[in-house]
Amino acid sequence: GAGVSQSPSNKVTEKGKDVELRCDPISGHTALYWYRQSLGQGLEFLIYFQGNSAPDKSGLPSDRFSAERTGGSVSTLTIQRTQQEDSAVYLCASSLGGAASTDTQYFGPGTRLTVL
Amino acid sequence: TQLLEQSPQFLSIQEGENLTVYCNSSSVFSSLQWYRQEPGEGPVLLVTVVTGGEVKKLKRLTFQFGDARKDSSLHITAAQPGDTGLYLCAGDSGGSNYKLTFGKGTLLTVNP
Repeated sequence: GAGVSQSPSNKVTEKGKDVELRCDPISGHTALYWYRQSLGQGLEFLIYFQGNSAPDKSGLPSDRFSAERTGGSVSTLTIQRTQQEDSAVYLCASSLGGAASTDTQYFGPGTRLTVL
Repeated sequence: TQLLEQSPQFLSIQEGENLTVYCNSSSVFSSLQWYRQEPGEGPVLLVTVVTGGEVKKLKRLTFQFGDARKDSSLHITAAQPGDTGLYLCAGDSGGSNYKLTFGKGTLLTVNP
């Protein structure tokens, strides 16, 4: 079946503008993750959704970042008043849900965000 | 804060050579995963190691988890150009069963 898809694949915006990044997880996956990957850095955890539970937002770097997941499927990551340091690849992953040692995360191709 | 240090950061070798990349931490992990990421794509899981001292083989790739579950290595035998990519290790601390700590990766280039 289809894997995780993300849109847009590339986004160039001006400093101060808001952006929305979309993630379509694999059908049936209850867990959804957002990560940020900056040049030369590892993946930085941003937020985690599991079913109907309250999301774990502990990785969001500032209150300019927010995310929602509608109907337990599609997720949108919103960055308000973008700054140049927000430039990075934003990766979404989904999984069946469960312990990390046994639950495989499937990643989308990412959205490359460039803030001018 | 748990950190995973990967080395080397960059590695460029010729086809047919062997190589080893390392993933080290001062923290204990319940499990450790290795991913490969190609340009423009997301990481793809290669293997998960759970038991201290565990060795797993995936064709020409051999993964080992340290006895103390603080470190891991990935050895590639007779590297091929198709092995080119960013190799990431990620550790699961077990405290929260979904959060992974990622290293910065080793960028491997295998030249034909």
